[in-house]
Amino acid sequence: NAGVTQTPKFRILKIGQSMTLQCTQDMNHNYMYWYRQDPGMGLKLIYYSVGAGITDKGEVPNGYNVSRSTTEDFPLRLELAAPSQTSVYFCASSPRWDSKYFGPGTRLTVT
Amino acid sequence: LAKTTQPISMDSYEGQEVNITCSHNNIATNDYITWYQQFPSQGPRFIIQGYKTKVTNEVASLFIPADRKSSTLSLPRVSLSDTAVYYCLVGDLNNAGNMLTFGGGTRLMVKP
Repeated sequence: NAGVTQTPKFRILKIGQSMTLQCTQDMNHNYMYWYRQDPGMGLKLIYYSVGAGITDKGEVPNGYNVSRSTTEDFPLRLELAAPSQTSVYFCASSPRWDSKYFGPGTRLTVT
Repeated sequence: LAKTTQPISMDSYEGQEVNITCSHNNIATNDYITWYQQFPSQGPRFIIQGYKTKVTNEVASLFIPADRKSSTLSLPRVSLSDTAVYYCLVGDLNNAGNMLTFGGGTRLMVKP
């Protein structure tokens, strides 16, 4: 199993541009999550999903959108990128609310 | 929701045992305690989980007193590679609770 994969690994965006961060898991987990982590800080939940077709907001959803059309994929969309969205983005999946498996992260810089 | 409190940072030396305590005074009956480890530039990694008394695996031990208002992650004989941030989470395994929320964690620095 590849586990949780994320693409791209790095990206630089200009202010106002849009992009989609991809996340795929091959463990057949129902639960998937997107977190962001600013330098030296803990993780903050952006969105999560309890299954295909179901998503919900986390602590910091503004400026982001998600979709969950399949069990495997949980893409995160950034519209109108802003410097405040410069961060490392982690996708995770889990069979229950615990024991999350995290991807390697996407380092995003908005300038 | 059970809020957790951990020390911001700890220092240790190679070969020592390290104990990191997490306080969760408002833990609910159905809540479990889960610890994650995060190395620089990597996502967090699940290391141990427990409900009461003691749990041990190949990486760590987790001690939970009878009142469950705190828990202690114990790392035996740490090495430089144990330098990481350690997060304590509390919540019901069958509901979101605050299993979704990672606090600031404890930054462990292991020195030679």
